[in-house]
Amino acid sequence: AQKVTQAQTEISVVEKEDVTLDCVYETRDTTYYLFWYKQPPSGELVFLIRRNSFDEQNEISGRYSWNFQKSTSSFNFTITASQVVDSAVYFCALSPEIQGAQKLVFGQGTRLTINP
Amino acid sequence: ETGVTQSPTHLIKTRGQQVTLRCSSQSGHNTVSWYQQALGQGPQFIFQYYREEENGRGNFPPRFSGLQFPNYSSELNVNALELDDSALYLCASSLLAGSSGANVLTFGAGSRLTVL
Repeated sequence: AQKVTQAQTEISVVEKEDVTLDCVYETRDTTYYLFWYKQPPSGELVFLIRRNSFDEQNEISGRYSWNFQKSTSSFNFTITASQVVDSAVYFCALSPEIQGAQKLVFGQGTRLTINP
Repeated sequence: ETGVTQSPTHLIKTRGQQVTLRCSSQSGHNTVSWYQQALGQGPQFIFQYYREEENGRGNFPPRFSGLQFPNYSSELNVNALELDDSALYLCASSLLAGSSGANVLTFGAGSRLTVL
């Protein structure tokens, strides 16, 4: 069975601080995909990143960076110099490496509040 | 291009009733899936449709059923509503093409169902 754990239920920081959201996953599959989605108050999930299990390179996109460590089954997400607009619920998710698969297993989410 | 649109945005039903939720996929997408998101939880996969057939299902009872139409729009039907069915129902679409592995999903803003 696949499982995603986001141990931090809520995080609150002051604007411009750096913040890291933790994600730990469990799977017996040798190949899989990991995702991060952002859910603003409007409700829709916004895609941030997809990572294949064979690609352990860290990735940086502007103020966002992701640290994938297969040895510890973790896929953490860091926001540098946070802004109020980053306030949202963030979800880490896991998917099997199956063509066309739409089944994502989500963690419980981390509610991030950036205070001005 | 238009994104994923869902209707209605909010609705209230009573226990035992039936509900139909609708979803228009993003233009060019041919695969649709539905997720249930209870308050404070991550989304849970209900099922997915491709070429008008269900081709993947999560741990939901048969009273949860769906349809995909030739224009790739979709419906989620829930019969014999229970109080625990109160949740945000999210529709997601993607393009199944080639061997791209797990798809990046585009989500709608959801339909919030309250069962009294």
